[in-house]
Amino acid sequence: GQNIDQPTEMTATEGAIVQINCTYQTSGFNGLFWYQQHAGEAPTFLSYNVLDGLEEKGRFSSFLSRSKGYSYLLLKELQMKDSASYLCAVRGHNYGQNFVFGPGTRLSVLP
Amino acid sequence: DADVTQTPRNRITKTGKRIMLECSQTKGHDRMYWYRQDPGLGLRLIYYSFDVKDINKGEISDGYSVSRQAQAKFSLSLESAIPNQTALYFCATSDPGTGVEQYFGPGTRLTVT
Repeated sequence: GQNIDQPTEMTATEGAIVQINCTYQTSGFNGLFWYQQHAGEAPTFLSYNVLDGLEEKGRFSSFLSRSKGYSYLLLKELQMKDSASYLCAVRGHNYGQNFVFGPGTRLSVLP
Repeated sequence: DADVTQTPRNRITKTGKRIMLECSQTKGHDRMYWYRQDPGLGLRLIYYSFDVKDINKGEISDGYSVSRQAQAKFSLSLESAIPNQTALYFCATSDPGTGVEQYFGPGTRLTVT
C-alpha cells in the first residue's frame, strides 16, 4: 500500500523557521518531492531528494532518510508570501514512475 | 504565456452530462498527466500518457476517459458526471530527459450539481 502523512495545518511567525514533516510508506521509492501550492493555484516544484541527507536551496531545505521513511521541509526567514500548502510526494518505481501525493500541510505565516 | 494551459477554468454542470476538460502545453514534453484534488486527500492520479499511443490508467480512473490528440494536447472526459466528481482538476507534464519535476496547469474547478 501507499501512505503519506503530513500535519494538516501549521502556524508560524514572520521571520521564524518552520519544519514541515512527511512520513511515507510506499511500495517503491524513486525520489521524494516537495511542492508549494498557494490557494486556488497550481502546485510548483520546490525540491527533490533521492539520496539521504539535506538539500539546500536558498531559504528552503529538504531532508530525507530513506531507512526511516521520513522527510522534512525547512523554511527559514519566513515571509508572508510563504503562506501556502506544502505537498510531499513520493515517486514510484513502476512503469509510470508515478507520484503519490500526501494530503498537504497548510502553513499560515502571521505578522 | 503559460506553458501548460487548461480550459475551462471553471465549470458547473448537471448530473448525467458529458463534459470534457482540455489541456495544452508548449513545453514539448512527451509525458502528460491528469490529477484531481479534493480537500484533505491530496492530488490523485486519474490517467497518464507517455505519447499519443501510450495511455495508462492511474489510481482513480473509473468514470473518466482520456484522449491524447497530439503531443501537446491531452483531454479528460467525464462521460456521465456525478456529484462526487466535483473537484479541482490539474493537468501536468514532465520530461525525464530535462528534469525530475512535473509542471502543473492552472487547474479547472468542476462542480457537478
